[in-house]
Amino acid sequence: ILNVEQSPQSLHVQEGDSTNFTCSFPSSNFYALHWYRWETAKSPEALFVMTLNGDEKKKGRISATLNTKEGYSYLYIKGSQPEDSATYLCAFYTGTASKLTFGTGTRLQVTL
Amino acid sequence: KAGVTQTPRYLIKTRGQQVTLSCSPISGHRSVSWYQQTPGQGLQFLFEYFSETQRNKGNFPGRFSGRQFSNSRSEMNVSTLELGDSALYLCASSPSGSGNTIYFGEGSWLTVV
Repeated sequence: ILNVEQSPQSLHVQEGDSTNFTCSFPSSNFYALHWYRWETAKSPEALFVMTLNGDEKKKGRISATLNTKEGYSYLYIKGSQPEDSATYLCAFYTGTASKLTFGTGTRLQVTL
Repeated sequence: KAGVTQTPRYLIKTRGQQVTLSCSPISGHRSVSWYQQTPGQGLQFLFEYFSETQRNKGNFPGRFSGRQFSNSRSEMNVSTLELGDSALYLCASSPSGSGNTIYFGEGSWLTVV
């Protein structure tokens, strides 16, 4: 059974704060690590798909890093804004199982 | 380009009934996967179809089934509904499979009473 763990479960920050979350996944049979943002009443939106150890990806104020050898990925948000409030999901894809295994997410709330 | 479309968006069924949910993928996408989201649980993988063939199946009982048509549209069916089947069912499509970015629909909210 593949286990993908995310921490913290929830986070409450002030506008302008920078924050980061962690996703831990099995380090064997790695193929890809996905990050999604899921706003209430909307569909999950893809942020990044990362495949290479040491990979760093950036989209605006959001960036992510990947360490496949130790099995973790970090998602960073710089200067949080209220519109960043959402649940952030990571998902691990192993080529042998050909399916995405999701973590339970980190719920971020950004207040003024 | 139209996104992933799921119908119906909301439905209420009675225990013991069956339900069929539909998913139209993004044009040109051949892979469709289905997920279940229940309170407190992460997205649980149900199955993935590619070019009308089931490529993988999650840990769900046989009451959960699906299919994919030649136009890549997919349906999932749950028979003999139980209260615990109440959930958000999400469909996602991608050009070739879940190793690459997948695009989600808005989901179908199923309530079993």
